[in-house]
Amino acid sequence: DAGVTQSPTHLIKTRGQQVTLRCSPISGHKSVSWYQQVLGQGPQFIFQYYEKEERGRGNFPDRFSARQFPNYSSELNVNALLLGDSALYLCASSLDAGVSNQPQHFGDGTRLSIL
Amino acid sequence: KQEVTQIPAALSVPEGENLVLNCSFTDSAIYNLQWFRQDPGKGLTSLLLIQSSQREQTSGRLNASLDKSSGRSTLYIAASQPGDSATYLCAPRGSGYALNFGKGTSLLVTP
Repeated sequence: DAGVTQSPTHLIKTRGQQVTLRCSPISGHKSVSWYQQVLGQGPQFIFQYYEKEERGRGNFPDRFSARQFPNYSSELNVNALLLGDSALYLCASSLDAGVSNQPQHFGDGTRLSIL
Repeated sequence: KQEVTQIPAALSVPEGENLVLNCSFTDSAIYNLQWFRQDPGKGLTSLLLIQSSQREQTSGRLNASLDKSSGRSTLYIAASQPGDSATYLCAPRGSGYALNFGKGTSLLVTP
């Protein structure tokens, strides 16, 4: 079975632009979370979506938004890009919203570079 | 706010050694704790998940322990191999859904 897939793998943007990152969860998983990992740091939680509803939000500005589609795939949008948004963006999927103590499984991420 | 610290930050050992990676967290009210490995430029691979009611979890050469009351977890790697070289991250999960990560321990196993 395919794992969590993310696209694109790499992306280069300039300051002020907008970007959309995509994630497909493991088949059967209904929960998707997004994390930002800056070089040398651990991942930081951005959003969690379950059954197309936002279930959690980390400490990120409103320039960051996300949504989940009926097939449980998800998009992360970032507007008005800043140099500090340069990072590896990771998507994780899980069976449910956390009730059953299931592990979260991560994709390989999208490397976003802002020039 | 959950703070996660991993010690040591970096570790270099010869092949065959047994080693212990340490993780401490400030808020003991956790649901579970996951250990991950991350290869350079790659995503995270889940290694072990310990539920809050468990003390240990084992998978092959890996053994993770959890002492929730003291806010500590350890990852024991037996008979290390060069292929174990990676960054290891621990992530406790609280009442929300978010995983809280430390900066990780960068492990190098030399032949």
